[in-house]
Amino acid sequence: GAGVSQTPSNKVTEKGKYVELRCDPISGHTALYWYRQSLGQGPEFLIYFQGTGAADDSGLPNDRFFAVRPEGSVSTLKIQRTERGDSAVYLCASSLDPSSYNEQFFGPGTRLTVL
Amino acid sequence: DAKTTQPPSMDCAEGRAANLPCNHSTISGNEYVYWYRQIHSQGPQYIIHGLKNNETNEMASLIITEDRKSSTLILPHATLRDTAVYYCIAPFNDYKLSFGAGTTVTVRA
Repeated sequence: GAGVSQTPSNKVTEKGKYVELRCDPISGHTALYWYRQSLGQGPEFLIYFQGTGAADDSGLPNDRFFAVRPEGSVSTLKIQRTERGDSAVYLCASSLDPSSYNEQFFGPGTRLTVL
Repeated sequence: DAKTTQPPSMDCAEGRAANLPCNHSTISGNEYVYWYRQIHSQGPQYIIHGLKNNETNEMASLIITEDRKSSTLILPHATLRDTAVYYCIAPFNDYKLSFGAGTTVTVRA
């Protein structure tokens, strides 16, 4: 079946611009997660959705970052006034539910480059 | 999250078993140990998880010591496609995975 998909696969933008990154989770998965991975490091948690609501946004670095999931399926990560330090691979994952017995399925990521 | 410690890298011969160690001496009684791997340019992939008993699935085996302070992931017959970064994770909240630096495993022909 279809896995988690993310678009675009690559995004190049200029400092100060606004970007949106999209995640399509596996159908039927109620839990959705965003992570950020900088070069040479492991992914870092950003935000977790259970259904339409953000249950934990403690990993968002500042108020320039925002994410939505209006219908409980597709999610969009939005970054305002991008900075060069925002350059990273943004990974989305989904799981059937957030219980400990369900693994997270990751998409291939969106590589964001801020010039 | 419990802090985990893994060797930064290791090599393995194709067809041989790969044994990946992980120390998690601060793990609490209800924290699971998860293993994920990340093949180059792909998202992480779940491998296996366990609490106190040894676990096995189609990908790997997980051996957890009786005191739960360490574990070993075993890839029974490593192939070139197993070359990846392997992460040992002990999340306090099961949904919030903290990946760390992981072990870069290189399988050589």
